[in-house]
Amino acid sequence: EAGVVQSPRYKIIEKKQPVAFWCNPISGHNTLYWYRQNLGQGPELLIRYENEEAVDDSQLPKDRFSAERLKGVDSTLKIQPAELGDSAVYLCASGDTLRSGNTIYFGEGSWLTVV
Amino acid sequence: DAKTTQPPSMDCAEGRAANLPCNHSTISGNEYVYWYRQIHSQGPQYIIHGLKNNETNEMASLIITEDRKSSTLILPHATLRDTAVYYCIVRPPPWGAGSYQLTFGKGTKLSVIP
Repeated sequence: EAGVVQSPRYKIIEKKQPVAFWCNPISGHNTLYWYRQNLGQGPELLIRYENEEAVDDSQLPKDRFSAERLKGVDSTLKIQPAELGDSAVYLCASGDTLRSGNTIYFGEGSWLTVV
Repeated sequence: DAKTTQPPSMDCAEGRAANLPCNHSTISGNEYVYWYRQIHSQGPQYIIHGLKNNETNEMASLIITEDRKSSTLILPHATLRDTAVYYCIVRPPPWGAGSYQLTFGKGTKLSVIP
């Protein structure tokens, strides 16, 4: 079974430029998460989706961050415009209560450097 | 969610058992203990979880004290590839509010030494 797939793996952009990250969750998983991980810290939740509905986006900086999960499968996280402080690893994860006991599985992450 | 306390770093000789402790003294009766690890440049990887009983799988064993205030993750024969940051996380049960997320601390950086 394929795991959570993310792209791009690495991205370097100049500040004020836009950037987008894509995630394909494990097949059949209805819950999708975006986490951000700063250097030396544990991951922090940005947004959680149940199918296509964002049910917890309280930690998402809505002035510059947006996310969508069309058709309840793939998801995109966008930052516009990017700031220097946005340099971090952006992790996508998925889970499903029925099939995996609600265990959450992570992708490899998208490493963003803003210069 | 209950807070966890882990040592910031540990060393382990290759081939020996690695025992990673975690304190969770405020854990509630229905909260689970989860362990993840993160190898450099990779996403967190699920290892094991438990409620009250000790658990074992192909990766590790989880020992939870009778009062559930602490636990130990055991890697029976550590290899160089086990070098990673290990996170101990307390999580509500699947039916509970807040159960659908993981709250990470800083974890323990385990270094397996040749």
